[in-house]
Amino acid sequence: SQTIHQWPATLVQPVGSPLSLECTVEGTSNPNLYWYRQAAGRGLQLLFYSVGIGQISSEVPQNLSASRPQDRQFILSSKKLLLSDSGFYLCAWSGTGGAIHEQYFGPGTRLTVT
Amino acid sequence: GQQVMQIPQYQHVQEGEDFTTYCNSSTTLSNIQWYKQRPGGHPVFLIQLVKSGEVKKQKRLTFQFGEAKKNSSLHITATQTTDVGTYFCAGKRSNTGKLIFGQGTTLQVKP
Repeated sequence: SQTIHQWPATLVQPVGSPLSLECTVEGTSNPNLYWYRQAAGRGLQLLFYSVGIGQISSEVPQNLSASRPQDRQFILSSKKLLLSDSGFYLCAWSGTGGAIHEQYFGPGTRLTVT
Repeated sequence: GQQVMQIPQYQHVQEGEDFTTYCNSSTTLSNIQWYKQRPGGHPVFLIQLVKSGEVKKQKRLTFQFGEAKKNSSLHITATQTTDVGTYFCAGKRSNTGKLIFGQGTTLQVKP
């Protein structure tokens, strides 16, 4: 069966520090991968998505970047965090075959920038 | 850009009462998905609707897709405390795998 891992679960970082969040998927190959951010009590904002290794699409201009060095690994990074980067970061994957491309979400990382 | 609006933002009901959340898109959708996020958890897929006017049921949950494929609704009959959480609709852009999520409706159920 497929599983998706995210770490760390929680993170407190000072303004100006770097960030690296990792997401890995098991049990599937060539998935579409997504990074979302959810502000407290708000909806899901799509940050990046990837359809393959090295292929990254950015949805909104921001202080973050993403990379996909391996088929089932998706990394979210920042060189210098801003206060506004605080939020709940969710990684998700979806298949590319079949009629229903539901997204499966990881447990998320709660980031607080102080 | 394409937007998906969801109302209401919050709903408090007494256990046993019904609940409905509505989702509206500014453009026609190829399909719409619904997700549930429990407090402190991550979104979990509930269902996908594809056809114009489609209605699907899952026990006490009824999902509808509008005739014009621009709106959808989720109706819960006789809510239970286990229904607590935030319900998101997500419209799929045609020809891509990307979903546009609504802002969500947070349901609180008083026992």
